[in-house]
Amino acid sequence: EAGVAQSPRYKIIEKRQSVAFWCNPISGHATLYWYQQILGQGPKLLIQFQNNGVVDDSQLPKDRFSAERLKGVDSTLKIQPAKLEDSAVYLCASSPPSGIQETQYFGPGTRLLVL
Amino acid sequence: AQSVTQPDIHITVSEGASLELRCNYSYGATPYLFWYVQSPGQGLQLLLKYFSGDTLVQGIKGFEAEFKRSQSSFNLRKPSVHWSDAAEYFCAVGPYNYGQNFVFGPGTRLSVLP
Repeated sequence: EAGVAQSPRYKIIEKRQSVAFWCNPISGHATLYWYQQILGQGPKLLIQFQNNGVVDDSQLPKDRFSAERLKGVDSTLKIQPAKLEDSAVYLCASSPPSGIQETQYFGPGTRLLVL
Repeated sequence: AQSVTQPDIHITVSEGASLELRCNYSYGATPYLFWYVQSPGQGLQLLLKYFSGDTLVQGIKGFEAEFKRSQSSFNLRKPSVHWSDAAEYFCAVGPYNYGQNFVFGPGTRLSVLP
């Protein structure tokens, strides 16, 4: 079974530029999560999708971050414009549609550096 | 709101020695608890999880964790550490209601001496 795929793996941009990350969850997984992991910290949830609807985006900085999950499969997270403090690893995770306690499976992450 | 603390930022052990990583949580109900491991440049891999039942949980790679409600703890243990166990370890608490989130602790970095 293929795992969660993310691209790109690394991205370097200058502040005020825009950037987009892509995630393809495990086949059949209804729930998709985007996390931000700043160096030295645990992952922080940015947004959670159930199929193509948003369950929780309370911690998403909506003035600059946006995410979509068209057709309830893959997802894109965008930052526009980027700030220095957005430098982090962006992790995508998915879980099957069995309940809220289901295990999350993580992708390898996209490491973003904003200069 | 739920929270997770991992008191040890960095732990160093010798290969073959035993290991215990601490995790404390703050939660309003029966918690759903997880331990994940993250190797450098990798995503998080689930080691084990506790939902209910037996408070001693077995996981992959020889790890186990014990849920102690009275101490609000879910410590991770391994009787004999291997060099390949060097990584970052995260404790997390899962939601018991829709609208709540997974909350991760800050992590404990494990170094293993040869």
